[in-house]
Amino acid sequence: AQSVTQLDSQVPVFEEAPVELRCNYSSSVSVYLFWYVQYPNQGLQLLLKYLSGSTLVESINGFEAEFNKSQTSFHLRKPSVHISDTAEYFCAVSPSGAGSYQLTFGKGTKLSVIP
Amino acid sequence: DGGITQSPKYLFRKEGQNVTLSCEQNLNHDAMYWYRQDPGQGLRLIYYSQIVNDFQKGDIAEGYSVSREKKESFPLTVTSAQKNPTAFYLCASSFRQGGINIQYFGAGTRLSVL
Repeated sequence: AQSVTQLDSQVPVFEEAPVELRCNYSSSVSVYLFWYVQYPNQGLQLLLKYLSGSTLVESINGFEAEFNKSQTSFHLRKPSVHISDTAEYFCAVSPSGAGSYQLTFGKGTKLSVIP
Repeated sequence: DGGITQSPKYLFRKEGQNVTLSCEQNLNHDAMYWYRQDPGQGLRLIYYSQIVNDFQKGDIAEGYSVSREKKESFPLTVTSAQKNPTAFYLCASSFRQGGINIQYFGAGTRLSVL
């Protein structure tokens, strides 16, 4: 079984400041890793994913995440946040075996960008 | 436009009543899922279906039922046996790409008890 720990339930940050949202996972098998974003009263949108290859993955809106196998982490970072980044962010993990339908989510981190 | 449509957006349930949440997708995805989201709890899997006429229980299936008669549709019924149904319900679907299932989500239905 897999588990995901998002270490901060809420992160306030000033506009144009950098931010890091932390995610650690536990798994006995190899995994795929995902970050989803949820704006108020909306569904989840896939932000970025790590499947294989380069451990640094990027999204189109300036977020990046780095897979660290030794520390079992997949932290999300952005060098300069905007008001529009205010949302809840979920880290998720899936076993990398073929045919797996299981996706385990963390409890989420609410990012609040302060003007 | 391709996507996942959940309806209604808001739903109210009376005591002892069953209610059904709709989820339709036109993405030609094989698999569909239902999650429950409570504040500070993340998402918990209720049921999922890999193919038509087949579905499996997730972590919190008690008090819920589903059907999968068509590839495009995966309705969720919240029965009167579910004593704490107030939550935000999210439907997702996924396609297999190179052995990997990538899940995409609908906009959700917020269920409240009257």
